Amino acid sequence: GAGVSQSPSNKVTEKGKDVELRCDPISGHTALYWYRQSLGQGLEFLIYFQGNSAPDKSGLPSDRFSAERTGGSVSTLTIQRTQQEDSAVYLCASSPRGGYSGANVLTFGAGSRLTVL
Amino acid sequence: SQQGEEDPQALSIQEGENATMNCSYKTSINNLQWYRQNSGRGLVHLILIRSNEREKHSGRLRVTLDTSKKSSSLLITASRAADTASYFCATGTNNNDMRFGAGTRLTVKP
Repeated sequence: GAGVSQSPSNKVTEKGKDVELRCDPISGHTALYWYRQSLGQGLEFLIYFQGNSAPDKSGLPSDRFSAERTGGSVSTLTIQRTQQEDSAVYLCASSPRGGYSGANVLTFGAGSRLTVL
Repeated sequence: SQQGEEDPQALSIQEGENATMNCSYKTSINNLQWYRQNSGRGLVHLILIRSNEREKHSGRLRVTLDTSKKSSSLLITASRAADTASYFCATGTNNNDMRFGAGTRLTVKP
């Protein structure tokens, strides 16, 4: 597609429910990133996919969080048993390069705003 | 975890003035980038500077990088009300993961 697409744009859920957030990166982009941004805060790194390599999961805050990337394209971030502190905007970004090939510029989606009641 | 730390956290200036934002980081980097965010949604890339560069210009933007001090600055000259946004630095390493700082909220008053 022309840009990074994220869905849903807004999600309200009850504490304890599972949620899935989807990211469609730009076609051909090999790298995909997930970040979390709480209100008025910076971006917290969650996970990074690079081509067919094992993802860098070092930013996932707990085992309730998981992500997968299907066929090197679409990615889904899953949060199980949601808690109120999971409320945030979840941002996805993709870039055309992976591995040590110089600098990569990220293109961001508009984000998915998650509210856990 | 975050890599960069922006300074100041918030900056308010008059239209026409220059705005300077600083970023410090902790580990070795391959490149440093600045992004802009409006309305708490997606970020937009502004400018990239590689670790072997010291200064870069793009329109009204000037970025400097001092790898010995692990710091960078972003200067916006002749600011406009439309420049009001949050600005983030992001550091890239050799394995291309990108870590962002907490950001500087810039307000340009007309």
